[in-house]
Amino acid sequence: NAGVMQNPRHLVRRRGQEARLRCSPMKGHSHVYWYRQLPEEGLKFMVYLQKENIIDESGMPKERFSAEFPKEGPSILRIQQVVRGDSAAYFCASSPTGSYNEQFFGPGTRLTVL
Amino acid sequence: GQSLEQPSEVTAVEGAIVQINCTYQTSGFYGLSWYQQHDGGAPTFLSYNALDGLEETGRFSSFLSRSDSYGYLLLQELQMKDSASYFCAAWGAGTALIFGKGTTLSVSS
Repeated sequence: NAGVMQNPRHLVRRRGQEARLRCSPMKGHSHVYWYRQLPEEGLKFMVYLQKENIIDESGMPKERFSAEFPKEGPSILRIQQVVRGDSAAYFCASSPTGSYNEQFFGPGTRLTVL
Repeated sequence: GQSLEQPSEVTAVEGAIVQINCTYQTSGFYGLSWYQQHDGGAPTFLSYNALDGLEETGRFSSFLSRSDSYGYLLLQELQMKDSASYFCAAWGAGTALIFGKGTTLSVSS
């Protein structure tokens, strides 16, 4: 039973390029969460999605960032026109329901913006 | 605002007991979770307290006092492999899980 999958594990982009981060939740999980972690910091909630719906995007920057979780395929976190401040580890988590229970995290994508 | 405070670092020796405290301030509160993270890898779930009191799971226990907005993670019979970062996280109003900045635990022999 595969866990949460994220790819790529490492991504290098130059300023102004686009970054696409993918997340496949655990089998049977329909709730996906994205978090950002800076060095020596905790995880910062970004967005919560269910299939084809954004439930809570209160942690998403207003510009350049978007997320989707289509009916088929992985969830995508997209960062347009990346800047150096976007360099961070981005973690995806999934859960079987949206209630206050355990979230299962993926290994993360380390984004480096040159 | 919403915030969780926990110590940045704790050190202990093998076999010892260590307690990591967490105080929270959230608009609305449903429960407190604890996660472990090794070397920046995937955080893994340790425990969740929705009600006051102590929850025990093997060597790890977690406590919650809603009236004090306080909880702690207790790690017993420490092992070298317990060296990691530990995060408390609160479910507040809305659907977002809010994390503290983490406590780095270093276990020495």
